[in-house]
Amino acid sequence: SQKIEQNSEALNIQEGKTATLTCNYTNYSPAYLQWYRQDPGRGPVFLLLIRENEKEKRKERLKVTFDTTLKQSLFHITASQPADSATYLCALEINSGGGADGLTFGKGTHLIIQP
Amino acid sequence: DAEITQSPRHKITETGRQVTLACHQTWNHNNMFWYRQDLGHGLRLIHYSYGVQDTNKGEVSDGYSVSRSNTEDLPLTLESAASSQTSVYFCASSDGTDTQYFGPGTRLTVL
Repeated sequence: SQKIEQNSEALNIQEGKTATLTCNYTNYSPAYLQWYRQDPGRGPVFLLLIRENEKEKRKERLKVTFDTTLKQSLFHITASQPADSATYLCALEINSGGGADGLTFGKGTHLIIQP
Repeated sequence: DAEITQSPRHKITETGRQVTLACHQTWNHNNMFWYRQDLGHGLRLIHYSYGVQDTNKGEVSDGYSVSRSNTEDLPLTLESAASSQTSVYFCASSDGTDTQYFGPGTRLTVL
């Protein structure tokens, strides 16, 4: 099964700057990688999915990159706002057969955007 | 609007009791999942189901069971609750596009 590492330290970023979060994984190459946002007391909310044949994906102020050689994904939030403060989770398919068997998650990175 | 709900949102029980956590989704998704979330761990998969009458064990299934009698519901049962099962439980569903939609969670305390 996969092991996922995310920076467990809180990340403090000044409003307006770009926040960059890192997700590293071991073992087999996944068919895709997902990023979720989780606010306190709530369930994770899907943000972006990037497939193994995609280098980069964007959605509004969000950008995800996927480097299968480095076994790493970077998650960027540009022009960050205090409302972006949350925990961000990286997730991969739990088995190499695809996400129908469930996902394995990193512990998440707590992002704090300071006004 | 379609949604996924969990009940109860908070539950306190005693060691050894049987507890059932409910999960209901109105998206008509075939795939449903149960995860637990603990400090120091990521979300960990307990059980999952591809459809009615189908259930499968996840990575931390010991002490838990599920049943799928219809598309909308996947109740999670703790057969004999233990203090190690104190956690926040999340239900999720998927339409097979790999994206999962999560419920609001149930905070379970086992005393």
